[in-house]
Amino acid sequence: GQSLEQPSEVTAVEGAIVQINCTYQTSGFYGLSWYQQHDGGAPTFLSYNALDGLEETGRFSSFLSRSDSYGYLLLQELQMKDSASYFCAVRDPDTGFQKLVFGTGTRLLVSP
Amino acid sequence: SQTIHQWPATLVQPVGSPLSLECTVEGTSNPNLYWYRQAAGRGLQLLFYSVGIGQISSEVPQNLSASRPQDRQFILSSKKLLLSDSGFYLCAWSGSGRATGELFFGEGSRLTVL
Repeated sequence: GQSLEQPSEVTAVEGAIVQINCTYQTSGFYGLSWYQQHDGGAPTFLSYNALDGLEETGRFSSFLSRSDSYGYLLLQELQMKDSASYFCAVRDPDTGFQKLVFGTGTRLLVSP
Repeated sequence: SQTIHQWPATLVQPVGSPLSLECTVEGTSNPNLYWYRQAAGRGLQLLFYSVGIGQISSEVPQNLSASRPQDRQFILSSKKLLLSDSGFYLCAWSGSGRATGELFFGEGSRLTVL
């Protein structure tokens, strides 16, 4: 099976930078995705890394190291609205990569 | 543009009653479709996924079932609900193939079984 590990909770203050880590174990790899979910809402896609390195999208960046089976989501210039849960996810090779497996999620709390 | 809708948004059902949640996708053809469940404060558990009409893969043995009667319609059902079926149910779609890790989620259906 596939498994992903994330810290359960991270706290930070407005304007700061925070990094949310994700380590994964999978028998085959086809990219690491990140999702954001506000309380009571549906997850929304943030980023996708298929190759090693850093992908930047505005205040959010995502990094991948395939040799370390590790990635992280970097949030800069934190705002109160960034308080949410963040999930990393990989596609499951046992299903022809049709199925997306999610990590347990990291709850980010941004304080003033 | 593509859109996904699921309903109802909220429902409260007694134990032993039936369930039907419906999800439709517009603006795309032959999508992969998914049903996830999320317990309060927890992660996303995949229940079913479908790569085509009538093709359903079940991830968790339970009293729920799914059907895909049309290309862009996905239905989650139960004949008799259990207390443990309470949760936030999310329908999602992705393009067929495995180009990216992007899933598009519906607004969710919050089910409370009493």
